[in-house]
Amino acid sequence: SQQGEEDPQALSIQEGENATMNCSYKTSINNLQWYRQNSGRGLVHLILIRSNEREKHSGRLRVTLDTSKKSSSLLITASRAADTASYFCATALSMNYGGSQGNLIFGKGTKLSVKP
Amino acid sequence: EAQVTQNPRYLITVTGKKLTVTCSQNMNHEYMSWYRQDPGLGLRQIYYSMNVEVTDKGDVPEGYKVSRKEKRNFPLILESPSPNQTSLYFCASSWDGSSYNEQFFGPGTRLTVL
Repeated sequence: SQQGEEDPQALSIQEGENATMNCSYKTSINNLQWYRQNSGRGLVHLILIRSNEREKHSGRLRVTLDTSKKSSSLLITASRAADTASYFCATALSMNYGGSQGNLIFGKGTKLSVKP
Repeated sequence: EAQVTQNPRYLITVTGKKLTVTCSQNMNHEYMSWYRQDPGLGLRQIYYSMNVEVTDKGDVPEGYKVSRKEKRNFPLILESPSPNQTSLYFCASSWDGSSYNEQFFGPGTRLTVL
């Protein structure tokens, strides 16, 4: 079951610019997480935002969550070539909406390319 | 170093030949999971395990088996692989079954079934 959908599917920017990726989901969630995947490698956790939080920061990352719109955004400021990767949102469904403990549902990802 | 390891990293096999992909974590995590990643489909969960001897189906369990006899290991078994199981497979673990924990991923196993 596909819960999260990232937008855009692909994004190409110059080094130093900001990158914004969006994630929309369908049902009530406990939390939403963002992961990064370098080409063909394992995913790495970036940040988690709980359903009762609206914004969270971690270094150059800023995540927002709007539960009324069922959407989240990931902003990477002052991007670097090393930020080139695919970014996935993952939602942990509320137990009231069929969620199972520990299970995350991943979107299809946004492929970010940062050109030097 | 805290990590999730998978073996093999690459595997080419033929239809019907049983295979096992191993997954091991050294973080004493209770929760482990297997995903497959396919172009245009993202990551889909195959099976997960909340603890030793406790396993359950994910979204795409058909054609796969798992076992959790020890806390650190969670092998994925394909009894009779078929070409539609050609994919990139990831094992992941987290501290416990709480959805508030981040998941740690292995490096992936690229499987080709001819």
